[in-house]
Amino acid sequence: KQEVTQIPAALSVPEGENLVLNCSFTDSAIYNLQWFRQDPGKGLTSLLLIQSSQREQTSGRLNASLDKSSGRSTLYIAASQPGDSATYLCAAQGGKLIFGQGTELSVKP
Amino acid sequence: DAGITQSPRHKVTETGTPVTLRCHQTENHRYMYWYRQDPGHGLRLIHYSYGVKDTDKGEVSDGYSVSRSKTEDFLLTLESATSSQTSVYFCAISEVSWAQGYNSTEAFFGQGTRLTVV
Repeated sequence: KQEVTQIPAALSVPEGENLVLNCSFTDSAIYNLQWFRQDPGKGLTSLLLIQSSQREQTSGRLNASLDKSSGRSTLYIAASQPGDSATYLCAAQGGKLIFGQGTELSVKP
Repeated sequence: DAGITQSPRHKVTETGTPVTLRCHQTENHRYMYWYRQDPGHGLRLIHYSYGVKDTDKGEVSDGYSVSRSKTEDFLLTLESATSSQTSVYFCAISEVSWAQGYNSTEAFFGQGTRLTVV
């Protein structure tokens, strides 16, 4: 049974800081690992997809890494901005698509 | 944006009544998923489908059934609604192909259905 855990549950940082969000999963037999963003009361927006054969993906100020052997993924956000404030979720897909509980990020001006 | 539509967007129903939520896609993706999202619990998988008439249970399937009679539609039915099923329900789609090695797509989500059981 796949279990996905995200640490920390909440994070508050000053604007401009670089930060790392962590995601761990128990079953390495996955097709991919995905990171999403969710704003309050809204749906989910896909940020980055890492295929299981890949080690990392980058989009603008975001960089996600994947280490299948250790069951870990990280999302690195560079030069954080108040507009980055949201809940960030990771999900492991191996047939089922299983989510972690998310990290609630607050970036203070 | 991916073509995925949930209906209805909002519904209030009485305890004990059956309720059906619909997820419709225009992407011809094989995988479809139903989740519920509650404060403190994140997104929990209810059921998913990996093809027409091929479905499987998720983490919180008790009290729910699904059907997929054609690629584009995935229906979630609450057989006898209870107050504990008050939640926001999300549908998602994705694809995995095995041509020239496998490749998988991002999961795209519908806008959600807010269900209240009174």
